[in-house]
Amino acid sequence: AQTVTQSQPEMSVQEAETVTLSCTYDTSESDYYLFWYKQPPSRQMILVIRQEAYKQQNATENRFSVNFQKAAKSFSLKISDSQLGDAAMYFCAYTPPLIGFKTIFGAGTRLFVKA
Amino acid sequence: DAGVTQSPTHLIKTRGQQVTLRCSPKSGHDTVSWYQQALGQGPQFIFQYYEEEERQRGNFPDRFSGHQFPNYSSELNVNALLLGDSALYLCASSEDWKQETQYFGPGTRLLVL
Repeated sequence: AQTVTQSQPEMSVQEAETVTLSCTYDTSESDYYLFWYKQPPSRQMILVIRQEAYKQQNATENRFSVNFQKAAKSFSLKISDSQLGDAAMYFCAYTPPLIGFKTIFGAGTRLFVKA
Repeated sequence: DAGVTQSPTHLIKTRGQQVTLRCSPKSGHDTVSWYQQALGQGPQFIFQYYEEEERQRGNFPDRFSGHQFPNYSSELNVNALLLGDSALYLCASSEDWKQETQYFGPGTRLLVL
């Protein structure tokens, strides 16, 4: 069975510093999609970044980048120049290919940003 | 461009009752998925609707059912509510069933007493 594990329940970072959130997953598929979602206290789940497993290049979106290690089944999120607005729950998610969005989420990491 | 909308935002029910939650997908999207997010946990996939049919289903009992209308909006129905059904219910939409990127609504917070 496919699983997603986020081993850091909470993380803390100083404003303007860099933080890395960890995620590992388990699958026997060779092609799939990985996502990081942000969920602030407003509850709205916001897409931060996505990665296709067939692409070796790590995805980047402004201050957010990932380190995708397919062999190790690792998918970490790096947030550079952290801002107060980055404080939220972050969820790592796995979606298998072409069988609908039976997306599997990790338990989440709560990120605190200190001023 | 309206995003995914859900109603109501909050709901309080008692055990044994039935509830209906509603979702309107993002403009241009025809596929809707529902998730249950218990407090302090990640969302869990309930089911997905495309072309007015349930296409995929997670590990949820038959008390959870849904419907999709011709305008692509969707309803989630839960019968015989249990205390454990208390959660945030999220709706997500995508352009079609082949598109893996989903956009989420703000959710409906259900409390069962």
